[in-house]
Amino acid sequence: RKEVEQDPGPFNVPEGATVAFNCTYSNSASQSFFWYRQDCRKEPKLLMSVYSSGNEDGRFTAQLNRASQYISLLIRDSKLSDSATYLCVVNRLPINKFYFGSGTKLNVKP
Amino acid sequence: ETGVTQSPTHLIKTRGQQVTLRCSSQSGHNTVSWYQQALGQGPQFIFQYYREEENGRGNFPPRFSGLQFPNYSSELNVNALELDDSALYLCASSLGGTTPDTQYFGPGTRLTVL
Repeated sequence: RKEVEQDPGPFNVPEGATVAFNCTYSNSASQSFFWYRQDCRKEPKLLMSVYSSGNEDGRFTAQLNRASQYISLLIRDSKLSDSATYLCVVNRLPINKFYFGSGTKLNVKP
Repeated sequence: ETGVTQSPTHLIKTRGQQVTLRCSSQSGHNTVSWYQQALGQGPQFIFQYYREEENGRGNFPPRFSGLQFPNYSSELNVNALELDDSALYLCASSLGGTTPDTQYFGPGTRLTVL
């Protein structure tokens, strides 16, 4: 079983739409959780960390459910520039090692 | 920008050859992790260096080796290249090898093995 599983998509949405991604992780000892954004042929860039209490950054809201071992990302009022692949990431000690999902592709259309 | 740099940006090699990829970490970061990203997949952990020592290794054969220098820059060496080694190689720097911390990625080296 993969450490982190995501729906690969693609999610094709119109500008202004709200879109949600989920991912699940298999190891309950996972300690930190992140969403990274990756544009085509570029490096992953940190979008936001994810906390149990939920956190929001502008149009982006992330949520963590430890009991069910899933992480979500909500994007409101989608922009064309949001088109990218969104990578769900978990890590845990004893080393700061990242486990990545395969990514969910988002296409925002005019 | 993250302040993490990698060189070269692109590389073409043939099977059986050897390659060295380089990474400079963000100022103040003492940990470098290397990842391999095949097309359509998420990055896979190769290994991590913390204060010049290998701090953990993923499921990669011994022909993948690395080094970290006193200034915390790092190298990834791959011997006896195989076609499946064609991928984007990413390095990421972070603070401390023993805390669950954010990692910042360099732009990557795209390796093609023919």
